[in-house]
Amino acid sequence: SQKIEQNSEALNIQEGKTATLTCNYTNYSPAYLQWYRQDPGRGPVFLLLIRENEKEKRKERLKVTFDTTLKQSLFHITASQPADSATYLCASHNAGNNRKLIWGLGTSLAVNP
Amino acid sequence: DTGVSQNPRHKITKRGQNVTFRCDPISEHNRLYWYRQTLGQGPEFLTYFQNEAQLEKSRLLSDRFSAERPKGSFSTLEIQRTEQGDSAMYLCASSAGTESNQPQHFGDGTRLSIL
Repeated sequence: SQKIEQNSEALNIQEGKTATLTCNYTNYSPAYLQWYRQDPGRGPVFLLLIRENEKEKRKERLKVTFDTTLKQSLFHITASQPADSATYLCASHNAGNNRKLIWGLGTSLAVNP
Repeated sequence: DTGVSQNPRHKITKRGQNVTFRCDPISEHNRLYWYRQTLGQGPEFLTYFQNEAQLEKSRLLSDRFSAERPKGSFSTLEIQRTEQGDSAMYLCASSAGTESNQPQHFGDGTRLSIL
C-alpha cells in the first residue's frame, strides 16, 4: 500500500545548526509533496509544496528537495532557532484518489538554545 | 482573523452521548476536509466536501459519524453514541480551487475526551 514515512525519532539540534528532516514514500510516485508544521494543540500549518519535476524549493530559511530516484524528500531549516521547535509533517496525494492527502507521522524537532 | 475556525475547542463527554462539532472554513474556499488525529500520529482523513456535496467518506468511519455542509459554507461533524476510542483531536481544513495539490488551511481542532 502507498505509504509516507518520516523518521519517528525526535531530532534535537543546537541553535544555529541546520536541521534536516526526511520523508520517504513507497509503492507510488507522488506528483508533489507538501510540508506542514504543527505546534502542540494547534492544527498543521502549510509551509512548502514541491513538485516531482522540481529538484529544490526555498522559502526564507527553509529548503525542500525531491529526489524521485531515492523516493525521498528532505526538509532543511538553516540557522535554526528555538522557535522552530515543532512537529513537521510530510503529506501527498493518494495515487488512486487525488481528493485526499496521505500523511506521515511527523518528526518532532527540538532546537536547543 | 479570516482563518479556519472550529468550535468548541474542547469537548468532554460521557460515553454514549452524542457530540457535534462545527467548522467555519475560509470563506472563498470550496473544499472542506475533516480529519482525526491522535497523539504521535498524522492526520487521518475522515471526509471531504466540495461545496455542499460530500464526495468521499473514509471506510474507517463508522455509521456513528456523519458530516454535513448544507450551504457549502460551514460544516458540522456529529458523532453518535460516543465510545472511548473516539477520543482524539478532530481537525477541519479548507482549500481553494479544483486542483488537489492546493495547500490545506487547518483550524486548531476540537479535542474530544470521552469519560
